[in-house]
Amino acid sequence: GENVEQHPSTLSVQEGDSAVIKCTYSDSASNYFPWYKQELGKRPQLIIDIRSNVGEKKDQRIAVTLNKTAKHFSLHITETQPEDSAVYFCAASSQGAQKLVFGQGTRLTINP
Amino acid sequence: NAGVTQTPKFQVLKTGQSMTLQCAQDMNHEYMSWYRQDPGMGLRLIHYSVGAGITDQGEVPNGYNVSRSTTEDFPLRLLSAAPSQTSVYFCASSYSQGNNQPQHFGDGTRLSIL
Repeated sequence: GENVEQHPSTLSVQEGDSAVIKCTYSDSASNYFPWYKQELGKRPQLIIDIRSNVGEKKDQRIAVTLNKTAKHFSLHITETQPEDSAVYFCAASSQGAQKLVFGQGTRLTINP
Repeated sequence: NAGVTQTPKFQVLKTGQSMTLQCAQDMNHEYMSWYRQDPGMGLRLIHYSVGAGITDQGEVPNGYNVSRSTTEDFPLRLLSAAPSQTSVYFCASSYSQGNNQPQHFGDGTRLSIL
């Protein structure tokens, strides 16, 4: 089955700097890669996703890149703000949003 | 439009007790799923359903049962609670495959087994 590895487990950056979180996946059939943000005690919320027919997708300060050959994808957050502090999860699936396999999560802290 | 509603929000059980976690959605989503979230392990899929009357196992199904008698409801049953089932449980729903529609999560149920 699919296995998703996420790094780093914790990340601390200065406000205004960029943050990058990386994930690798094992199943070459995976074709859907969402990223979720989870604030303390809250539900996971989708922030951006990418399909396997696209190499990069941007939404304001957030971007995701996908390298299908290397089987890895990354989340990039630019101009970080205190409200970006949260746990971020990547996921992968070969069946769309169904049967997502999640990474272990990255706790991002933005230092003022 | 309430989205995905989970009840209860918190529950404490004794080892060996049984209980049902409720999940309901009002978005007419075909697909529903249950995840558990443990520290440092992300979310792991327990069971899922692609429509009424159809369920299947995820990564960690042991100790849990599900049924899907209606499109709206997808309860998760713990038959004989064990301390290893202490976790936060999330229900999610989405439209069915084909368009890669995103999953919508409920607020979660925090379950402690003593």
